[in-house]
Amino acid sequence: SAVISQKPSRDICQRGTSLTIQCQVDSQVTMMFWYRQQPGQSLTLIATANQGSEATYESGFVIDKFPISRPNLTFSTLTVSNMSPEDSSIYLCSVPRDRGFGELFFGEGSRLTVL
Amino acid sequence: AQSVTQLDSQVPVFEEAPVELRCNYSSSVSVYLFWYVQYPNQGLQLLLKYLSGSTLVKSINGFEAEFNKSQTSFHLRKPSVHISDTAEYFCAVSDQGGGTSYGKLTFGQGTILTVHP
Repeated sequence: SAVISQKPSRDICQRGTSLTIQCQVDSQVTMMFWYRQQPGQSLTLIATANQGSEATYESGFVIDKFPISRPNLTFSTLTVSNMSPEDSSIYLCSVPRDRGFGELFFGEGSRLTVL
Repeated sequence: AQSVTQLDSQVPVFEEAPVELRCNYSSSVSVYLFWYVQYPNQGLQLLLKYLSGSTLVKSINGFEAEFNKSQTSFHLRKPSVHISDTAEYFCAVSDQGGGTSYGKLTFGQGTILTVHP
């Protein structure tokens, strides 16, 4: 199994600011995924972080709001830009199990509260 | 496109009682099915999965789920719950086709199971 570390684990942010979340995996992986879990709601895929190319965003998510970096096969960052209270969520990094038919390993998440 | 519906947002039960958490899905393609669990203050963990073969799958801690293709359901059951089973449970599906869908899960809204002494 993969061990995924996220930083920060939680933060309280002011409206209009930006915050970068880091995700470190203990093994090299081709694909990394960023999910969002809004309060009382399910997990929604934000984007796929591809090493060496731009991230692929899902419908409703844009690069200006959620810029993603993927400098190598073990690390990625997600920035939540110009935050508003609606961005208060848990943000989760995940990686697929090798040949796992869609099974994912998740980090413990970064809980952001925007005031 | 896929969707997952978990019919109960909260399920309270007493310890040692049986429990069923319901999950229905909709998809135009064949899918793999998963149940994930999130214990308080912890990350999501895979509980069990259906990929192919026997429609009844079991976890190491006594949970089981049955894939019913005709009813497009994947309900989770346990005959006798423990206090330690208190957690949020998520049903999820992924496209069997792979490609650009590889690794992308569609989740249900989650069911909070609370086991009371």
